[in-house]
Amino acid sequence: QSALAQPASVSGSPGQSITVSCTGTSTDVGVYNFVSWYQQHPGKAPKLIIYDVSNRPSGVSRRFSGSKSGNTASLTISGLQAEDEADYYCSSFSGTINPCVFGTGTRVTVL
Amino acid sequence: QLQLQESGPGLVKSSETLSLTCAVSGGSISTSGYFWAWVRQPPGKGLEWIGYIYYGGSTYYNPSLKSRVTLSVDTSRNQFSLDLSSMTAADTAVYYCARHSEVEYFFDFWGQGTLVTVSS
Repeated sequence: QSALAQPASVSGSPGQSITVSCTGTSTDVGVYNFVSWYQQHPGKAPKLIIYDVSNRPSGVSRRFSGSKSGNTASLTISGLQAEDEADYYCSSFSGTINPCVFGTGTRVTVL
Repeated sequence: QLQLQESGPGLVKSSETLSLTCAVSGGSISTSGYFWAWVRQPPGKGLEWIGYIYYGGSTYYNPSLKSRVTLSVDTSRNQFSLDLSSMTAADTAVYYCARHSEVEYFFDFWGQGTLVTVSS
């Protein structure tokens, strides 16, 4: 099972909106609505920011939103802030044989 | 608030077996609806799911690691453990324990992680 494909880096200016893509296949992202997103600051553990494609856990900023179309899921960060600078990983359920696959990760830079 | 804490050696020799434990506090490991997972991250690289275990003992492993991984759970101590055999330099990574939703497939609580280095 290959990792989900994400762009290595995405950047934006404060206040702008950016989108991070997560491309899988018809055996994971394309068939299950169990896509989650994680934010990871340097030296820290990942933090859940989106689950089930578009749901935000309690306490996560509304500036984070998720969506999916076909085999590609997307994370959008609106009103970009300096504190959003981090690595972002997607993950998807991919069936019972290998249930969990992560994305390759995207470094978000706030210019 | 649920907390997870990894413990174990920071240095392991090549070909030996790594043993890590994750202590769970602020909640019971026997709570239904959740798996208890291990995820690792080589320095400067991405996340890799290792496997997870249910409090009843059911296990699911990453096929790429399955031949070398054993997960176990100790409900009396509220902790779970990872054994990874035949360690090589490629297994050098930060190892995280985490809670995983059984139904919705996300990791909602994570430990701080522990760096394990494999030496020759």
